[in-house]
Amino acid sequence: DQQVKQNSPSLSVQEGRISILNCDYTNSMFDYFLWYKKYPAEGPTFLISISSIKDKNEDGRFTVFLNKSAKHLSLHIVPSQPGDSAVYFCAARGLRGRDDKIIFGKGTRLHILP
Amino acid sequence: DAGVIQSPRHEVTEMGQEVTLRCKPISGHDYLFWYRQTMMRGLELLIYFNNNVPIDDSGMPEDRFSAKMPNASFSTLKIQPSEPRDSAVYFCASSPRSTGELFFGEGSRLTVL
Repeated sequence: DQQVKQNSPSLSVQEGRISILNCDYTNSMFDYFLWYKKYPAEGPTFLISISSIKDKNEDGRFTVFLNKSAKHLSLHIVPSQPGDSAVYFCAARGLRGRDDKIIFGKGTRLHILP
Repeated sequence: DAGVIQSPRHEVTEMGQEVTLRCKPISGHDYLFWYRQTMMRGLELLIYFNNNVPIDDSGMPEDRFSAKMPNASFSTLKIQPSEPRDSAVYFCASSPRSTGELFFGEGSRLTVL
């Protein structure tokens, strides 16, 4: 049973437009969410995170939105650039209590088209 | 400052052989995680340690897999005997307690023939 779901395996977006990647989770104990970016033959690298006490976090071209009632988060990239083509993983962690493990979704492959 | 270091980067072995993957976490990080990446399952958590103690190994596929962390600067993931379905990229990651951020190594690509 997947606790973190990324239902779109791939997404293609025109350069300069907005890329929106979505993620759903099932466990209400998660209180910290992260997005990772992965290029081929490299390890995932941290992109942006959000605590459950917030509903938005922005860092340059990247913004993460959290809707706790819907158990949904999204990553917005604007404007999209060719170097953004990669696999994006959504992840969730429970920092309170004993559940410290970080669970990842299956990833969404983003293609930025010229 | 060195990041998470994994070895070997690539391993090709024959079915039935023992495989040992190694990881050196970032100094000072309290947590160490082992993940496996496949096309079908994405990034699966296999096991994680807190202060060298295994906390949750529910993701370890079966008894053929074992992991140890004898000290704060070293961990191993062992597969014995290996099978073709174990072929995947295995990632080690470490994390400080104060944040939720994971720092990944470059991965060990395992091919079992």
